[in-house]
Amino acid sequence: DTAVSQTPKYLVTQMGNDKSIKCEQNLGHDTMYWYKQDSKKFLKIMFSYNNKELIINETVPNRFSPKSPDKAHLNLHINSLELGDSAVYFCASSQDRMGTGRPYEQYFGPGTRLTVT
Amino acid sequence: RKEVEQDPGPFNVPEGATVAFNCTYSNSASQSFFWYRQDCRKEPKLLMSVYSSGNEDGRFTAQLNRASQYISLLIRDSKLSDSATYLCVVGRNTGNQFYFGTGTSLTVIP
Repeated sequence: DTAVSQTPKYLVTQMGNDKSIKCEQNLGHDTMYWYKQDSKKFLKIMFSYNNKELIINETVPNRFSPKSPDKAHLNLHINSLELGDSAVYFCASSQDRMGTGRPYEQYFGPGTRLTVT
Repeated sequence: RKEVEQDPGPFNVPEGATVAFNCTYSNSASQSFFWYRQDCRKEPKLLMSVYSSGNEDGRFTAQLNRASQYISLLIRDSKLSDSATYLCVVGRNTGNQFYFGTGTSLTVIP
């Protein structure tokens, strides 16, 4: 059984388009995340989200918006795509230990390779 | 200053060798420490959590030095299948924030 799944696996689109990437986790975790891994392989957090709080990395352009229909899903919507958005986007989840203890480890989805032409 | 710093390598070692990776973190409020492994074109996967007293899992040993804000990973008897990028990860409870190092590339040579 896939713990964290993402669709699509590959996404090729043109500049200016709007696209969404979907993420689902069946681990019962409370917190989900979106990461961007660029061509230099650096993994950078974009958002962390649970049903209480959305934390946005301040360097993320507001063209990127997370949308969570329920606790098991966190989708990423991107408006007006730019060439620099080309990267691999990973979704992850973890138990929520906010305010009560150490953060638990994260489990990652397989990634979505986005290419903007 | 970066939250987490790692030597990117690459480390090229023969099978059977022992190799050590180091990582430093900048924020003394960090509470959780992990090593992840990422294979080419795959997602990061948890290798092991790092505990204050140090911990071992088979051929892998992790150490934490809070005073020096330093984490290490030792791999003994390297296998070809150990070839991957090893990511040092530091977590803080505030906002469930995780900070990844840039990774250290390991290639085990036959």
